[in-house]
Amino acid sequence: AIRMTQSPSSFSASTGDRVTITCRASQGISSYLAWYQQKPGKAPKLLIYAASTLQSGVPSRFSGSGSGTDFTLTISCLQSEDFATYYCQQYYSYPGTFGPGTKVDIK
Amino acid sequence: QLQLQESGPGLVKPSETLSLTCTVSGGSISSSSYYWGWIRQPPGKGLEWIGSIYYSGSTYYNPSLKSRVTISVDTSKNQFSLKLSSVTAADTAVYYCARHPRDPVFDYWGQGTLVTVSS
Repeated sequence: AIRMTQSPSSFSASTGDRVTITCRASQGISSYLAWYQQKPGKAPKLLIYAASTLQSGVPSRFSGSGSGTDFTLTISCLQSEDFATYYCQQYYSYPGTFGPGTKVDIK
Repeated sequence: QLQLQESGPGLVKPSETLSLTCTVSGGSISSSSYYWGWIRQPPGKGLEWIGSIYYSGSTYYNPSLKSRVTISVDTSKNQFSLKLSSVTAADTAVYYCARHPRDPVFDYWGQGTLVTVSS
């Protein structure tokens, strides 16, 4: 199975900050990458798929980029509702595997 | 609005079989465009895709769990189900049901249900 890693594992940020989370695949996955947001006690929410395509209803402050093995999720202006854990997931090959998550909390 | 709801016992004894059902409302499980899957998350840990089913009954199972997993579908009830046999404490997790298109990108999720394996 393809192994996904994320960095950092956690960090603190302030409302209004621009934040970037990195995801790396153990082998090339083209653009078959999704990003999810999860808040405590809630199910994950799909933010981005195909590395850079915003899911319907997701605010435009979220963006994704990358292809091959290296990907980023950027939040251009962090809002209070964005404090959560973010997961990447590859679906280039079965089984689709998730990264370990990046927790963004309030500074 | 599509909704998914997991149901089943919250406590299962070691070596027994975990059984959960996901009821889909606001849409048809027989849609030709979608698959229906199970994902789990141990407390404080990451996400693991267990497997998925198509309305026709075609299944995919994660090789790491394949020997213990059965996913089935009941289109008449708009439900699909998960059975995980020979459970151990390592199977303690929140279990989610979710929808995805042909690519396993999960766009609708249930709220999740915690299943604890303990005697």
